[in-house]
Amino acid sequence: AQSVTQLDSHVSVSEGTPVLLRCNYSSSYSPSLFWYVQHPNKGLQLLLKYTSAATLVKGINGFEAEFKKSETSFHLTKPSAHMSDAAEYFCVVSDYGSSNTGKLIFGQGTTLQVKP
Amino acid sequence: DTGVSQDPRHKITKRGQNVTFRCDPISEHNRLYWYRQTLGQGPEFLTYFQNEAQLEKSRLLSDRFSAERPKGSFSTLEIQRTEQGDSAMYLCASSPGSGNTIYFGEGSWLTVV
Repeated sequence: AQSVTQLDSHVSVSEGTPVLLRCNYSSSYSPSLFWYVQHPNKGLQLLLKYTSAATLVKGINGFEAEFKKSETSFHLTKPSAHMSDAAEYFCVVSDYGSSNTGKLIFGQGTTLQVKP
Repeated sequence: DTGVSQDPRHKITKRGQNVTFRCDPISEHNRLYWYRQTLGQGPEFLTYFQNEAQLEKSRLLSDRFSAERPKGSFSTLEIQRTEQGDSAMYLCASSPGSGNTIYFGEGSWLTVV
């Protein structure tokens, strides 16, 4: 069964400093991994996705993530945080099991706080 | 805007009443998903449609829940005899097919009082 674990429920950074949101995954086959962001009272927006191409994936708004199979990790990073980055971030794995629905399995989320 | 549209955005209902949510997916997306998200948690999968066929249902989808997609376009999610534990945000999402990005609507908030 597919699953993801987000290692931090809350991360606080100062504006202009780097962001690191950690995610480990469990998968019985080569996974498709995603990061979604959710701003208050808004829907989920895709930041980036990994689908077995390049291990370093670049997304929108300066975010990127690196797929490390040996560590079963898919951490999200950004060199310099902006106030507008404050939101809830979800690490997600796609379940392409026998039913091939492609349904998404979400982690518990990490709240990113950005201090001025 | 041609994203995934959900209606109503907010619903307050008394325990025991029935509620229905509607989702209009992105045009020509044949895959449609419903998720439920409670406060402080990630979204949880409820059900999946490919065109008009409901191909998978989570065990979270009790007998009081029913979802339809009669013409393979819009979908409805009905909750009968609502309970306070049904209070959550119900998210709809759509995709053009296997391996493609899944796009989410802004969700329908349900509060059962």
